[in-house]
Amino acid sequence: SQKIEQNSEALNIQEGKTATLTCNYTNYSPAYLQWYRQDPGRGPVFLLLIRENEKEKRKERLKVTFDTTLKQSLFHITASQPADSATYLCALQNQGGKLIFGQGTELSVKP
Amino acid sequence: NAGVTQTPKFQVLKTGQSMTLQCAQDMNHEYMSWYRQDPGMGLRLIHYSVGAGITDQGEVPNGYNVSRSTTEDFPLRLLSAAPSQTSVYFCASSYTWDSGIADSPLHFGNGTRLTVT
Repeated sequence: SQKIEQNSEALNIQEGKTATLTCNYTNYSPAYLQWYRQDPGRGPVFLLLIRENEKEKRKERLKVTFDTTLKQSLFHITASQPADSATYLCALQNQGGKLIFGQGTELSVKP
Repeated sequence: NAGVTQTPKFQVLKTGQSMTLQCAQDMNHEYMSWYRQDPGMGLRLIHYSVGAGITDQGEVPNGYNVSRSTTEDFPLRLLSAAPSQTSVYFCASSYTWDSGIADSPLHFGNGTRLTVT
């Protein structure tokens, strides 16, 4: 069956360092991969989308890579700040448009 | 611009009761969907719709009904609530895959927290 796995344990890093979050998938051929941020008590908010034929995408301090051979995406936040503390969700989308989510990774950035 | 609006924010039901979770969007999105979020399980797709009059099942549809009579509204019905349906429910919308609008992400509401006792 289709499976999406993200780092199950919370990630704790120091302010100013780069946070790297992992998203692995099996039995899936996504056309798109998306990353969302979720704060407590709120709905997820879209951050970045990368297509299957793109290797890397950047937006300000965020960078996403997508390796369809390894079936893996890496999400980087450079120069991290305490305000980046949240849960980050990866989601895969096929040609039909349905979006399937991983369970999320909680990131905590300490000052 | 309100985006995606979900009501109510909180609800407590007794086993066997029925209720409807409301979802409305004002962005003229064709695609709408319902997810439930449980600790350690992530967001799981319940039902979705690609336009008025069209609905389909997601990963966990049992116990839930939906309808889509207008582009704006996509209510989720629990016909006979069970404790296993205790969860946080999110509604989300976007343009459809073939709309020609690139990079169309999901826009989420802020959720309905449902407890079934």
